[in-house]
Amino acid sequence: NAGVTQTPKFQVLKTGQSMTLQCAQDMNHNSMYWYRQDPGMGLRLIYYSASEGTTDKGEVPNGYNVSRLNKREFSLRLESAAPSQTSVYFCASSERYFGPGTRLTVL
Amino acid sequence: DAKTTQPPSMDCAEGRAANLPCNHSTISGNEYVYWYRQIHSQGPQYIIHGLKNNETNEMASLIITEDRKSSTLILPHATLRDTAVYYCIVRVKSEYSSASKIIFGSGTRLSIRP
Repeated sequence: NAGVTQTPKFQVLKTGQSMTLQCAQDMNHNSMYWYRQDPGMGLRLIYYSASEGTTDKGEVPNGYNVSRLNKREFSLRLESAAPSQTSVYFCASSERYFGPGTRLTVL
Repeated sequence: DAKTTQPPSMDCAEGRAANLPCNHSTISGNEYVYWYRQIHSQGPQYIIHGLKNNETNEMASLIITEDRKSSTLILPHATLRDTAVYYCIVRVKSEYSSASKIIFGSGTRLSIRP
C-alpha cells in the first residue's frame, strides 16, 4: 500500500514549456485534489475530482488542466509554464491523504 | 463552505497540552470541522474531524462548542515534533458522493519550546 505517490519530485522548466504532474493512489478513493503552495503561504486548491471522469475548478484553476481517466490517477497539466507557477504541488486522495509534493521551478 | 479564523501563531512548552482555537461562526448544520497539520515542507497530515460531539484519537482531541461556532484542537503532551502549521477547515463530509472543496486558510504556526 503506497498511499499517494507523486511524480516527479522535482522539476525545472523554462517559460512556455509544458509538462504533466502525475498523482496516483491505491486506496480506491473517489475524490482526489490538486493544490499548490507558494513559499511561506498556505495551500490553494487548483482542481478537484469527485470521481472518475469528473473534475471541478478550485480557487486557482487558471493555467492548468486536469485529467481523471480512471479512479487511481489524477494528473495536472501545465500547457505553457510561467514563472508565477513556481510552487510546490500537492495531490490529495480523499480528505485524509496527501502526497509528498512536486517542487516545480519555472525559469 | 464556512470560513475559519485562527490565531497566526502560538507557542507551548514541551510536555504541556497545546490548545489551538478555531472560530467558525458561520458553520452550517451539515459541515464538519477538520484539522490538519503541515510540518515544514511536507504534505499536510490529517489529524481529526468531528461534527458536533467531541472526538479523540491517538494524535489529538477535538472539542466543539455546543453551538458549533468554535472548536479547540488539543495535543495532550506536546513534543518538539509537533512544531507545525495547524489548519482548521470546515466542509461537508463526502467520500461516496460528490466531493466538496477543501479550502485551507493560513493556519496557526505552533512552536513547541524545550
